[in-house]
This record gives sequence, C-alpha cells and structure tokens, in this order.
Amino acid sequence: NAGVMQNPRHLVRRRGQEARLRCSPMKGHSHVYWYRQLPEEGLKFMVYLQKENIIDESGMPKERFSAEFPKEGPSILRIQQVVRGDSAAYFCASSRDAQETQYFGPGTRLLVL
Amino acid sequence: AQRVTQPEKLLSVFKGAPVELKCNYSYSGSPELFWYVQYSRQRLQLLLRHISRESIKGFTADLNKGETSFHLKKPFAQEEDSAMYYCALSGKTSGSRLTFGEGTQLTVNP
Repeated sequence: NAGVMQNPRHLVRRRGQEARLRCSPMKGHSHVYWYRQLPEEGLKFMVYLQKENIIDESGMPKERFSAEFPKEGPSILRIQQVVRGDSAAYFCASSRDAQETQYFGPGTRLLVL
Repeated sequence: AQRVTQPEKLLSVFKGAPVELKCNYSYSGSPELFWYVQYSRQRLQLLLRHISRESIKGFTADLNKGETSFHLKKPFAQEEDSAMYYCALSGKTSGSRLTFGEGTQLTVNP
C-alpha cells in the first residue's frame, strides 16, 4: 500500500504566480488534511476535506488560498498570487475515517522568489 | 484555545542515557495526545498515541491530566533515536485536526 503521495516535492514560484500542490491519499482513505510549516515553526492546520466536501477550513488564510478534494483525483491546495511569506513546507495527511490515525506525505517545499 | 508546548527545541544525550522529551498542553475537555517522529529525510510518522497505551521502539508516554503533560520517555537512548519529535493534540471541540508543538530535535551521541 503506497503511502500518501505529494507532488511536486519542491516548487519554486515568483511573486504573483500561482502554486498548485497535489496530494494523493493512501488507498482506502477518504479524509485529507493540509498543514503548513513555516521556517522554525511547528505544523499548523489549514484545512480538512472529505471527498467533494470541505469539513473544516478554520486554518486557511482568508484570501488567495483554496483547497479541493474532487470525487476523482488528488486533493489540490491552490495558492494564488503567491508572496514571499507563503514560502513553507506544506504537508498533506490522510486517514481512513475521522479521528483515526493521520498518515503524512513527504511534503511540498514551496519557495517564493 | 488549544495549545501544545514543547519547551526544548534541542535535546542532546549520550547513548544509553535516559531521555525525556517534554510536552505540555492546554485544552478544555478530554484531549487525545500523540507523538510523531520525523527521522532525517523521512516523512512524519506516528510514534504513539495515548489511548493505545503501548510502547513503541522503547518509548512510552503517560497522559497526566493534573499537570496537563504528555512527556515522552525512553530509559536507554539509542543513536537511531536521533530525530525530530512532535507532540500533537486533537479533541472533540476541534474535530479531527491536529495541533502540533514546535518540535524537539533529539540528538543521541555515541
């Protein structure tokens, strides 16, 4: 059973561009979580999704950030008009059900120039 | 508001010595506590959760509700234990999301 997959592993964008981060959960998992880790900080929750639904987006910045988890395909975290402060590691996790163990992907490291 | 505090960013011990990584939390209600570990160049993985009350790789952690702590302990550290350790919390009022501490980098010297 392949683990949680994230791509790309590294992403470089210039200010004002868009960043798209993809997450494929483990097989049989329908719950996906996105976390952000800024330099020298711990992981911070961003958003929790089930297939086609956003369950909790209390950690998402109000502007420029959006997330989806369509019926088919990976979950996407989209950042529009990136700024230098968006540079961080973005981790995705998945679980079989709510309250079950979350398994993490390797992360996508976003660098905004 | 819920919060997890790991007071030590760095912890260094010698092989064979006991090790304790501290974790304190604040949460109104009954939380669920976890320890995650990230070895060099690997992904974050669950080490243990308090409800399972099991010992993984010789590590144990006891939830102390009076002191609101969930310290991670191992009686004899090994060099392969060198890694980044994160304490995390989830609870009914916060749904499934995890709140992480800032992590402790453990180095076990030969």
